[in-house]
Amino acid sequence: SYVLTQPPSVSVAPGKTARVTCGGNNIGSKNVHWYQQKPGQAPVVVIHYDTDRPSGIPERFSGSNSGNTATLSISRVEAGDEADYYCQVWDTSSGPWVFGGGTKLTVL
Amino acid sequence: EVQLVESGGGVVRPGGSLRLSCAASGFTFDDYGMSWVRQVPGKGLEWVAGINWNGGSTGYADSVKGRFTISRDNAKNSLYLQMNTLRAEDTALYHCASNSSSWYDYWGQGTLVTVSS
Repeated sequence: SYVLTQPPSVSVAPGKTARVTCGGNNIGSKNVHWYQQKPGQAPVVVIHYDTDRPSGIPERFSGSNSGNTATLSISRVEAGDEADYYCQVWDTSSGPWVFGGGTKLTVL
Repeated sequence: EVQLVESGGGVVRPGGSLRLSCAASGFTFDDYGMSWVRQVPGKGLEWVAGINWNGGSTGYADSVKGRFTISRDNAKNSLYLQMNTLRAEDTALYHCASNSSSWYDYWGQGTLVTVSS
């Protein structure tokens, strides 16, 4: 089955850029989607198809995907960005819905 | 406003059964595939089961195959999950989620299932 690997935690100072990685075998050949989940709330998609932002998501959120790593970048980080972030792919040889283990973003 | 509202969770003994429901509103329900995704409190997301727009195709995680059944009633804008032979490891918050493509557009807040003797 296909496995997505995320760091358990990332810390960043306000105003800096946070980068959350998602590793997978040849993940660059797949479409990667990212979700933000704040405590007590349902997940919300912040990036789909590697780089696309849904309407209502700030331009500070961006994504990239190449080789074995996809990355969610959040520029000019704010306290309100503190949340868990999950990557997800569609893989017909697996689930097919596959999630990474999640990364807790802490704003210092 | 799009809403997905789950119900039916509760405490059940190991080996017992439970039926979850998800009521959808604010979007054209039968334009979307639907899934159940669970989350152990404080842990990550795990896909449980999915169904296509008309119920003609379903899929299950290996961990629940043969025990859980997903279904939908488009006339009632509702999604269901029949859970049988429940185990302690099925304890989690169960979200319903909709998809028009390969990602989830909308999520519900979830309903908590606790399997305990």
